[in-house]
Amino acid sequence: DTAVSQTPKYLVTQMGNDKSIKCEQNLGHDTMYWYKQDSKKFLKIMFSYNNKELIINETVPNRFSPKSPDKAHLNLHINSLELGDSAVYFCASSPGTSGFEQYFGPGTRLTVT
Amino acid sequence: GENVEQHPSTLSVQEGDSAVIKCTYSDSASNYFPWYKQELGKGPQLIIDIRSNVGEKKDQRIAVTLNKTAKHFSLHITETQPEDSAVYFCAASYTGNQFYFGTGTSLTVIP
Repeated sequence: DTAVSQTPKYLVTQMGNDKSIKCEQNLGHDTMYWYKQDSKKFLKIMFSYNNKELIINETVPNRFSPKSPDKAHLNLHINSLELGDSAVYFCASSPGTSGFEQYFGPGTRLTVT
Repeated sequence: GENVEQHPSTLSVQEGDSAVIKCTYSDSASNYFPWYKQELGKGPQLIIDIRSNVGEKKDQRIAVTLNKTAKHFSLHITETQPEDSAVYFCAASYTGNQFYFGTGTSLTVIP
């Protein structure tokens, strides 16, 4: 059973397009995250949600909008894609107040041409 | 905010030798320090973590030590094996909502 799943695994699109990445966790966790990993492997948090509420919103362009329809899902929508958005995006989850252990999804490699 | 530094950026060891990766953090409020292993094409995987009320934690060949006074923590891998080759990340957190990651260490275990 996959604990944290993301779709799609690969996404190739042109500049200016709008795309979404979906994330689901079946661990019953309260907190979910989106991370961006650049070409140098640096991991940076973008958003953190706890029980569907936005907790952390790092300095991310407004073109990125997370949406949490329920506790088990945190989707990432990106408008007007730019070349610099090319990266691997990871979703993660953790128990929340009962524990900080993070479980990561397999990642979505986004390539903007 | 928190700043986590990680060294070395690359590390090569012979199979069977030990590997040590070190991280420092800046915010004394940080109280949770996980280590992740990332294999090629996969997401980071939590391998061990430590809370600020503990100085050392072991799990088979992996151990983590924490020095709160000096604000540094280290990952120790003993009896390294080729399957230990990966990128390792340290991180620090004090709320569980925000995590600050180190820049990663690419470990190569030479058979």
